[in-house]
Amino acid sequence: NAGVTQTPKFQVLKTGQSMTLQCAQDMNHEYMSWYRQDPGMGLRLIHYSVGAGITDQGEVPNGYNVSRSTTEDFPLRLLSAAPSQTSVYFCASSYQGTQPQHFGDGTRLSIL
Amino acid sequence: GQQVMQIPQYQHVQEGEDFTTYCNSSTTLSNIQWYKQRPGGHPVFLIQLVKSGEVKKQKRLTFQFGEAKKNSSLHITATQTTDVGTYFCAGKGGATNKLIFGTGTLLAVQP
Repeated sequence: NAGVTQTPKFQVLKTGQSMTLQCAQDMNHEYMSWYRQDPGMGLRLIHYSVGAGITDQGEVPNGYNVSRSTTEDFPLRLLSAAPSQTSVYFCASSYQGTQPQHFGDGTRLSIL
Repeated sequence: GQQVMQIPQYQHVQEGEDFTTYCNSSTTLSNIQWYKQRPGGHPVFLIQLVKSGEVKKQKRLTFQFGEAKKNSSLHITATQTTDVGTYFCAGKGGATNKLIFGTGTLLAVQP
């Protein structure tokens, strides 16, 4: 099993560009989520999903969109990148939201 | 909204010393999870506590869940250089499905 796979691992964008961070899991997990990690801020929840077709906002959803058309995939879209979105992004999944989270290796995103 | 704070933000110890990090939530939690993140890595699940007042041990690590289910602690006895990393607590409060992470404690261990 691959677990949780995030692509790309690194990305540099210019302000105003859009892009999609990919996340896929092969564990048949219902719960998936996106976090961003910034120094001194811990892991902040952006969006999460409790199953295919269901998404909800986390702590810092502005500037990001998500969709969950399949159980396996949970892409995160940056609509118009801003320097404040420079961060490390982690995708995580679990059977349920209260179960242990399995994290991907992260995407390191820089916005110039 | 729900907030989860951890103290201290950073701790530097000599190898062999003990270490404790504290986690405090603004709301009652249904459970508390602890994760460890090595430098440059991703968070890795350590343990989950569910019951009020629960205490669990993993070798040199002791985890506690407060009686009011609003706070938790992680204690490491006789730290080793392999304990280096950031320790996060995470919990879900109320009726929400959101799993909120704490701010983390970065542990540095000097040989």
